[in-house]
Amino acid sequence: AQSVTQLDSHVSVSEGTPVLLRCNYSSSYSPSLFWYVQHPNKGLQLLLKYTSAATLVKGINGFEAEFKKSETSFHLTKPSAHMSDAAEYFCVVTLYGGATNKLIFGTGTLLAVQP
Amino acid sequence: GAGVSQSPSNKVTEKGKDVELRCDPISGHTALYWYRQSLGQGLEFLIYFQGNSAPDKSGLPSDRFSAERTGGSVSTLTIQRTQQEDSAVYLCASSLIPHEQYFGPGTRLTVT
Repeated sequence: AQSVTQLDSHVSVSEGTPVLLRCNYSSSYSPSLFWYVQHPNKGLQLLLKYTSAATLVKGINGFEAEFKKSETSFHLTKPSAHMSDAAEYFCVVTLYGGATNKLIFGTGTLLAVQP
Repeated sequence: GAGVSQSPSNKVTEKGKDVELRCDPISGHTALYWYRQSLGQGLEFLIYFQGNSAPDKSGLPSDRFSAERTGGSVSTLTIQRTQQEDSAVYLCASSLIPHEQYFGPGTRLTVT
């Protein structure tokens, strides 16, 4: 079965310091993985995706994630946090094939950025 | 270009009433999805359309929920005899390729 586990429900960083949001996945086959971001009262925005090409994936706004099969992880990082990064982040795995095509969401990590 | 749009943005209804939520996908996107976001359940899949047919409706919580899609475009999610536990944000997404879903802003449903 496909699933993702976000290890932290809340992360707080200071502006200008690195961001690390952790995600582990479970998949019976090679997964497609995503990070989505949701700003307050806004819709979900695709940040980046991994679909079995390069293991280091670069996304928008300076975010990147590395797919590590040996650790079943897909952690999201950014070298330097900005105030505008404060939002909720969702790690997502896709279940695709046969009659289905759906996203399975983690429980989310709320990122706070302190000035 | 235009993204996924949903209407209404907010809906308050009384328990027991029926509601219809609308989704306009990105033009040309053949696949359309409904999800629900609630405090207790997080983000959960409801139904997937490919064209006008729904090969996967496994996430619909009960037979009070139904959805249709016409002309390979607009979709309507209908909830009959609404209950308080139906209160949530209902999100629609569309995609052209399987692994890249684009979300609308959602409809916030409050059942009083």
